[in-house]
Amino acid sequence: DTGVSQNPRHKITKRGQNVTFRCDPISEHNRLYWYRQTLGQGPEFLTYFQNEAQLEKSRLLSDRFSAERPKGSFSTLEIQRTEQGDSAMYLCASSLSGGADTQYFGPGTRLTVL
Amino acid sequence: KNEVEQSPQNLTAQEGEFITINCSYSVGISALHWLQQHPGGGIVSLFMLSSGKKKHGRLIATINIQEKHSSLHITASHPRDSAVYICAVCNMDSNYQLIWGAGTKLIIKP
Repeated sequence: DTGVSQNPRHKITKRGQNVTFRCDPISEHNRLYWYRQTLGQGPEFLTYFQNEAQLEKSRLLSDRFSAERPKGSFSTLEIQRTEQGDSAMYLCASSLSGGADTQYFGPGTRLTVL
Repeated sequence: KNEVEQSPQNLTAQEGEFITINCSYSVGISALHWLQQHPGGGIVSLFMLSSGKKKHGRLIATINIQEKHSSLHITASHPRDSAVYICAVCNMDSNYQLIWGAGTKLIIKP
């Protein structure tokens, strides 16, 4: 247990539905990252926050994806109108600042879109 | 060419063998991470390196910044070491995003 928690751990949904995932980082960590990992591939960067500010978004993050970190603590990742291609493991990580600081990963949320 | 290359992609060994996994990268970095992922499980960070060598239990990680190369070694390997080992680098030019290698799937047979 790294101290980063994610909920739910598993989500099965039908195509076209909206889903929301939550990440609770280590409390003193000010950076929070979202990654997506599809089967057999390494994780792909989606976005990150410095406190409550979303500083960077990957081109992978289409308009159907939105992430928030309203109070600089927990973060949510919402996917609207899910597609089968969204099926993946969604990973959250946090770090104390960035760069040379270790990122601590949560257990991930596995999304299956039917 | 991928910015982070790992080798081998797959490795099967007998319990007790000395294991080496290699990582080469082509970008400027501020740090390199070695991470472990068990099947169906989350990712655990093993080491973060910016120079030299680190040791934790049976795991040793080294980095050569000039050659842009890192290795992860496992001594006296055990079946519970079976996992995917991932090398990821902090890219200095991309706001410290992690760039990931494809991972090395390690199986240790008893």
